[in-house]
Amino acid sequence: GAVVSQHPSWVICKSGTSVKIECRSLDFQATTMFWYRQFPKQSLMLMATSNEGSKATYEQGVEKDKFLINHASLTLSTLTVTSAHPEDSSFYICSASPPLRSSYNEQFFGPGTRLTVL
Amino acid sequence: GEDVEQSLFLSVREGDSSVINCTYTDSSSTYLYWYKQEPGAGLQLLTYIFSNMDMKQDQRLTVLLNKKDKHLSLRIADTQTGDSAIYFCAERRNTGKLIFGQGTTLQVKP
Repeated sequence: GAVVSQHPSWVICKSGTSVKIECRSLDFQATTMFWYRQFPKQSLMLMATSNEGSKATYEQGVEKDKFLINHASLTLSTLTVTSAHPEDSSFYICSASPPLRSSYNEQFFGPGTRLTVL
Repeated sequence: GEDVEQSLFLSVREGDSSVINCTYTDSSSTYLYWYKQEPGAGLQLLTYIFSNMDMKQDQRLTVLLNKKDKHLSLRIADTQTGDSAIYFCAERRNTGKLIFGQGTTLQVKP
């Protein structure tokens, strides 16, 4: 099956610093990638949809200047949490969709990145 | 509303069947999914069902869909300790956006 990786798997940073999270599709090209945020024991909330070569579409309530998304190639999307604060601590999960999708249009999920902001 | 609803916790004994229920919100959603999440990991697609189907069986997994009531269930036969995880249902809206439930923690006791 299609594999999506994320790096790093966990990161601890000081308040006020910026953190970059990478999402890679390893064996397929992903025209669309999605970024989700998951709080403990809660559901995944879509933050933004990222299309290769164009600006990301952010969900309502998500600050685009705080969560910078770059989808520069068909296999890589990055999420940068700028000026991170403790309330940004969360589990960030990306997913990727190949261009030639099956009828059920599956998203392939990465393993997630645990961000802790001190 | 926007919410996909699931019960939060289910405990079963090894070898029993598990049934996890979900109520979704949009009758025009085309596909409904069940994902499994193990601790500290991403989501693994278990199975899916197209909205014009009533039932889908895949080995130990049976999905039932009641479109009228917008109710979805996942039955796991002969539940094993390795099935312990959080199970999320999700609906796919016409926009392509996935809306997830809050997840059901399945605890399997030996």
